[in-house]
Amino acid sequence: ETGVTQTPRHLVMGMTNKKSLKCEQHLGHNAMYWYKQSAKKPLELMFVYSLEERVENNSVPSRFSPECPNSSHLFLHLHTLQPEDSALYLCASSQGFTGHEQYFGPGTRLTVT
Amino acid sequence: AQKITQTQPGMFVQEKEAVTLDCTYDTSDPSYGLFWYKQPSSGEMIFLIYQGSYDQQNATEGRYSLNFQKARKSANLVISASQLGDSAMYFCAMSQSGNTPLVFGKGTRLSVIA
Repeated sequence: ETGVTQTPRHLVMGMTNKKSLKCEQHLGHNAMYWYKQSAKKPLELMFVYSLEERVENNSVPSRFSPECPNSSHLFLHLHTLQPEDSALYLCASSQGFTGHEQYFGPGTRLTVT
Repeated sequence: AQKITQTQPGMFVQEKEAVTLDCTYDTSDPSYGLFWYKQPSSGEMIFLIYQGSYDQQNATEGRYSLNFQKARKSANLVISASQLGDSAMYFCAMSQSGNTPLVFGKGTRLSVIA
């Protein structure tokens, strides 16, 4: 596979469930990102990992827990979510995390019931 | 703080016509980069074009060009010869020097009509 892939593409979960979103990049990049895109809000940056270390956490609630085991993989662990967490979650990667274009995955459409 | 403003929530354009999507930015950093992304209904964000703050010429990529007016702090995207497949959300974004990732605008929804 090439580019940035995300699984699953769609996820419906209850508020008491635990699930994980997976992102994988095949571009040899060293920075990875999680974004949240809600219907009526601009794209929100959630987490940034550079060289597998978290360099930014934009005041994201603790019910979202990222994990970056290596430079190619990024996870977002979800637990006890709220209905307002329903959104499109986009993963991206770049070579360096300033001044470089980011390449995005197709996103995971999450619905919390 | 850096900020990106896209004032057009939605735009319509006739097929084969050109369209300009507005973007203004606010930064005190002399070194920055400006990006445009396209997001079709499928959801993924597609990188279109990049302009560096020190670039002397406007960036062009095929049918996309960036009208960079540094003094006015604007970086409008021009799409020439619009196609039906250009219908999508378009996001302007900026990055600055130092440890700051991209900041995105709210986007403009472009609809190309036959």
